[in-house]
Amino acid sequence: GENVEQHPSTLSVQEGDSAVIKCTYSDSASNYFPWYKQELGKGPQLIIDIRSNVGEKKDQRIAVTLNKTAKHFSLHITETQPEDSAVYFCAASLSGGSYIPTFGRGTSLIVHP
Amino acid sequence: GAVVSQHPSWVICKSGTSVKIECRSLDFQATTMFWYRQFPKQSLMLMATSNEGSKATYEQGVEKDKFLINHASLTLSTLTVTSAHPEDSSFYICSASFRGSYEQYFGPGTRLTVT
Repeated sequence: GENVEQHPSTLSVQEGDSAVIKCTYSDSASNYFPWYKQELGKGPQLIIDIRSNVGEKKDQRIAVTLNKTAKHFSLHITETQPEDSAVYFCAASLSGGSYIPTFGRGTSLIVHP
Repeated sequence: GAVVSQHPSWVICKSGTSVKIECRSLDFQATTMFWYRQFPKQSLMLMATSNEGSKATYEQGVEKDKFLINHASLTLSTLTVTSAHPEDSSFYICSASFRGSYEQYFGPGTRLTVT
């Protein structure tokens, strides 16, 4: 089955700095890569996603890049703000079926004011 | 759009009792619903997948007689934890998707504490 590795497990930055979270996946058939933000005591919220036919996608301060050859994808947050502090999960989905994602272990992002 | 609710948001029950958690898709028809379990500071663990009108498909190691899942309509799925024990205490999260969609929409989660 699919295996998703996520690094780092904890990331501490100063407000205004950029943050980068990296994930690798094992199954080359995966074709959908969402990123979720989970605040304490809440369910995950989709913040951005990318499909395998695209190399990069951007939404305001958030961007995701995908390297299919190397089987890795990254989340980039620029101009970080204290409200960006949360746990971020990457995931990879196999094509077909119900697109059940395999999640990474999560990255706890702390943005210091 | 694509809002998923869960009820209750938290519940405390005594060991040996059963508790039911509801998951509703508020503004779309959810052909597939998923139930996850999450321990503190850990990732989401998929427990089961259910399609409307069909029996749930449980992940390996998840006891289907203990975690009863019903997906009776396109907007409602329920998870019943039967004969709950303290080790069942956890954060339970549902998600929903509609046919052909890549995306899953997550509920806010239910904190279960078994005393």
